[in-house]
Amino acid sequence: EPEVTQTPSHQVTQMGQEVILRCVPISNHLYFYWYRQILGQKVEFLVSFYNNEISEKSEIFDDQFSVERPDGSNFTLKIRSTKLEDSAMYFCASSEWGSPASSTDTQYFGPGTRLTVL
Amino acid sequence: AQKITQTQPGMFVQEKEAVTLDCTYDTSDPSYGLFWYKQPSSGEMIFLIYQGSYDQQNATEGRYSLNFQKARKSANLVISASQLGDSAMYFCAMRESRNSGNTPLVFGKGTRLSVIA
Repeated sequence: EPEVTQTPSHQVTQMGQEVILRCVPISNHLYFYWYRQILGQKVEFLVSFYNNEISEKSEIFDDQFSVERPDGSNFTLKIRSTKLEDSAMYFCASSEWGSPASSTDTQYFGPGTRLTVL
Repeated sequence: AQKITQTQPGMFVQEKEAVTLDCTYDTSDPSYGLFWYKQPSSGEMIFLIYQGSYDQQNATEGRYSLNFQKARKSANLVISASQLGDSAMYFCAMRESRNSGNTPLVFGKGTRLSVIA
């Protein structure tokens, strides 16, 4: 069964360093998303991406964040200068084209990358 | 204002019993989707079940069913015949259409379910 994959599973970095989190969405999916979950809290939306551009972003997704689809399979999230408060689980998700009133809208999540900023 | 409300921070259920996890939502959009995800202690987010706003029947997937009451804006998850492996965090989420096919999921705070042998 197709699945979303993410690497690395755990990333430890020093404050101020750049990190790149990688995702391979499900191959026939067209919409891609990044979410994050600070430990013990709810999942929060960061950004959505379609047709090689950002569709929507949240207040969390400031100038320190960027996304890219460098090739036909990978989808990356870059944090330019990490802060302590960026420590969280980062989830990539993908979905087929469809309206929210269709089951094809279901977003499938990857296993997550746990980012620890020291 | 909270768009998704899960009022039960924690629930306990005896193995083999059924359990209902509550979820209420708030939207003025006529087209939306409701989702439940399971997050075990390992951290991944596992999709369980989907209900579309125009669906006439309640969704079912194996032991999971969704009690969809549109007028009350509730979408409770029912797990029948609970198993020890059902112990996890459960999140209710919603997507509105907003005339766009790429809207994000909005999550509730989750309910931690513990299944007791």
